[in-house]
Amino acid sequence: KAGVTQTPRYLIKTRGQQVTLSCSPISGHRSVSWYQQTPGQGLQFLFEYFSETQRNKGNFPGRFSGRQFSNSRSEMNVSTLELGDSALYLCASSRGRSSYNEQFFGPGTRLTVL
Amino acid sequence: AQKITQTQPGMFVQEKEAVTLDCTYDTSDQSYGLFWYKQPSSGEMIFLIYQGSYDEQNATEGRYSLNFQKARKSANLVISASQLGDSAMYFCALPAGGTSYGKLTFGQGTILTVHP
Repeated sequence: KAGVTQTPRYLIKTRGQQVTLSCSPISGHRSVSWYQQTPGQGLQFLFEYFSETQRNKGNFPGRFSGRQFSNSRSEMNVSTLELGDSALYLCASSRGRSSYNEQFFGPGTRLTVL
Repeated sequence: AQKITQTQPGMFVQEKEAVTLDCTYDTSDQSYGLFWYKQPSSGEMIFLIYQGSYDEQNATEGRYSLNFQKARKSANLVISASQLGDSAMYFCALPAGGTSYGKLTFGQGTILTVHP
């Protein structure tokens, strides 16, 4: 069974630009969660989607948004990039029926904002 | 609010020896679960093991086992027969639970270095 895939793996943007990251979950998984990982703040939850609906959201500004498609693939968008948005963005998929379902992570997208 | 604490920023172990990585947690939920993940330098988070709060036995997956002490709110990961490939960052994580779907609260992580 193929794992979680994320594209692109690396991205360099400048301040003020916007970026879209993509995540394809494990086949049969309907839940996709997104996390931001930085050296200073560690791993922080952004949001979770299940069957094209956002079920949960972390404490991030509105510049961070996402969506999920009917095939469970998910995209995350960050508008008006700031230097502090430089981070590793990880997505994770799970069956999503319970908050205790195991989450399987992708390799991440490393975003650098200059 | 839920909290996970990993007090060991870094640990060193000799190859083939066992090592314990500490994790304490705080939750008001009666039913909960705990995950451990491994993050190599490549960045991908690899699921290692899961412990449910009502599981009667400590979880075991190959060389990984959990020393789960519910009363002390600790869920320490034991890696037996360490290998060089075990060198990585290790995270303990607590699901938010209930209807807070998809949210894991992570500890600060422990960097494990395995020496030959």
